[in-house]
Amino acid sequence: EAAVTQSPRSKVAVTGGKVTLSCHQTNNHDYMYWYRQDTGHGLRLIHYSYVADSTEKGDIPDGYKASRPSQENFSLILELASLSQTAVYFCASSPGQGVTGQLYFGEGSKLTVL
Amino acid sequence: QQNVQQSPESLIVPEGARTSLNCTFSDSASQYFWWYRQHSGKAPKALMSIFSNGEKEEGRFTIHLNKASLHFSLHIRDSQPSDSALYLCAPQGLTFGLGTRVSVFP
Repeated sequence: EAAVTQSPRSKVAVTGGKVTLSCHQTNNHDYMYWYRQDTGHGLRLIHYSYVADSTEKGDIPDGYKASRPSQENFSLILELASLSQTAVYFCASSPGQGVTGQLYFGEGSKLTVL
Repeated sequence: QQNVQQSPESLIVPEGARTSLNCTFSDSASQYFWWYRQHSGKAPKALMSIFSNGEKEEGRFTIHLNKASLHFSLHIRDSQPSDSALYLCAPQGLTFGLGTRVSVFP
């Protein structure tokens, strides 16, 4: 089965600090995604990528950057973490464009910003 | 942007009952419809998908899709405690509804 691993699984950050969440997939999938999940807002797409060295904005990109240095790795970067970015973040990959292909999710990274 | 609504927000059902979850969407051009299941503290995992109008059954789970009414649904027959989870619909694959939380009690 598809394998997507995230690190760290849990992190506490201070307001204004820099946070990097990492994602690694061993599925040879072209597409990778970052979502955040909050109570009352569900899963919302932040950034995605369909090829190395290129990223695209999702529905809520403000305050986030993404980096795809290789097909296997996709990072989410919070340059100046804020309280409102406290959430659980999920990385996912898919073999084709997500509209047709099944999304395979990592186990999530719980971020708490104090 | 796709507007996705799920109902009800939550369900509590006895073991063995039939459970019905609803999802409405706004983009009539949507072609691919997915249901995901997320157990507490775990990652969402794809459950079933349907790509054309009609019905699809896999074991105890059935999906109905009606594009004309912008509606698709998930039905669980003989609900089990292990079915207790958050169910997320994703019309067109990338945009998710808020989910329906299902609790099945023995």
